[in-house]
Amino acid sequence: GDSVTQMEGPVTLSEEAFLTINCTYTATGYPSLFWYVQYPGEGLQLLLKATKADDKGSNKGFEATYRKETTSFHLEKGSVQVSDSAVYFCALGLYNQGGKLIFGQGTELSVKP
Amino acid sequence: EAGVAQSPRYKIIEKRQSVAFWCNPISGHATLYWYQQILGQGPKLLIQFQNNGVVDDSQLPKDRFSAERLKGVDSTLKIQPAKLEDSAVYLCASSSISNVETQYFGPGTRLLVL
Repeated sequence: GDSVTQMEGPVTLSEEAFLTINCTYTATGYPSLFWYVQYPGEGLQLLLKATKADDKGSNKGFEATYRKETTSFHLEKGSVQVSDSAVYFCALGLYNQGGKLIFGQGTELSVKP
Repeated sequence: EAGVAQSPRYKIIEKRQSVAFWCNPISGHATLYWYQQILGQGPKLLIQFQNNGVVDDSQLPKDRFSAERLKGVDSTLKIQPAKLEDSAVYLCASSSISNVETQYFGPGTRLLVL
């Protein structure tokens, strides 16, 4: 079935370090891919998305490229800030199932000054 | 533009009691979703509505969970009777027909069943 696997956390980095959070997926058909972020005490916010192979989504310095050949959508940021501390969720969206989202388990990021 | 509203934000009940959650989606969004997020896991879809019709309720435990969206706007999710394993955050999300995959989430209702 359709599923998403993320690297386990927590991930702890120093400010200005490079961030990679791995995400791989299994899906029938051609899903869209998303990264959502959940700051402490807040709801889920869409961070970025990509709708087809080789698309790159970007927002707030974060980037992810839809890699169909490796079924991956890894999240990267060149220089993290303390304010990036949050839980990050990778998800796939199934347009042929009414836009249903299937989420990974989440990766907690903690950035230290 | 107002976001997705949910209430209450927190609820504590004892097992076998009933509880209801309310959601008001973004104005004009035809599609409404309820997700369950257990601590340490990603959200899992419980039920999806388009207007006032159910699109997908395959993951809804229908022996104890029910949901309705009678006028195609706001929605109520009910649990009766609650079990300990229902402790979770219940998230409501909405999306427009023209961009169904981009979902906007409410702040969630945190439920603790004792």
